[in-house]
Amino acid sequence: GAGVSQSPRYKVAKRGQDVALRCDPISGHVSLFWYQQALGQGPEFLTYFQNEAQLDKSGLPSDRFFAERPEGSVSTLKIQRTQQEDSAVYLCASSLRPPLTGDGYTFGSGTRLTVV
Amino acid sequence: AQSVSQHNHHVILSEAASLELGCNYSYGGTVNLFWYVQYPGQHLQLLLKYFSGDPLVKGIKGFEAEFIKSKFSFNLRKPSVQWSDTAEYFCAVGGRDDKIIFGKGTRLHILP
Repeated sequence: GAGVSQSPRYKVAKRGQDVALRCDPISGHVSLFWYQQALGQGPEFLTYFQNEAQLDKSGLPSDRFFAERPEGSVSTLKIQRTQQEDSAVYLCASSLRPPLTGDGYTFGSGTRLTVV
Repeated sequence: AQSVSQHNHHVILSEAASLELGCNYSYGGTVNLFWYVQYPGQHLQLLLKYFSGDPLVKGIKGFEAEFIKSKFSFNLRKPSVQWSDTAEYFCAVGGRDDKIIFGKGTRLHILP
């Protein structure tokens, strides 16, 4: 597609429930990033893929968070046993080339997760 | 580790006023600098970026930013703002081999 597509746009989960958030990057984009944006804050880095390889997962807040990109295109961010502090907008971004080129990212509209 | 500091959390201006949003960063190597904008209800969009060369960078919609290496700053400017510039603005920094780190954002409100 023309842009980065994320689904669902909104997700309400009961505390303890598992959720899966999907990101469809721009076709051919090598790099894919996940960010978490809490209310009133800037996006916080979670993890980064180059093709199917997860090169950096230093931002994942706990082992309840898991991301994958098995075929180097679509990515899924999974959160197990959701907690209220997981409530945030989860942003996906993609880039044609790896970060070292200095290209900016193209962001999706995000998934707003609310844990009740 | 890299970090970004935005000076103002909330700025209110009247139309036609001049704008300057402060941004300072901390990073130990060669740096790429960005300003992103998020209009109400929309996704983050790249406003402008500095990669190398001329430290005065011009972006979309009349925005510009100046990279001052000695001050570790990358302030965003616009000589005359419009009501449609109401949005949240994020400064971001990235290294050549690293992810992009964002500041906490500045919410800009333009009074008509």
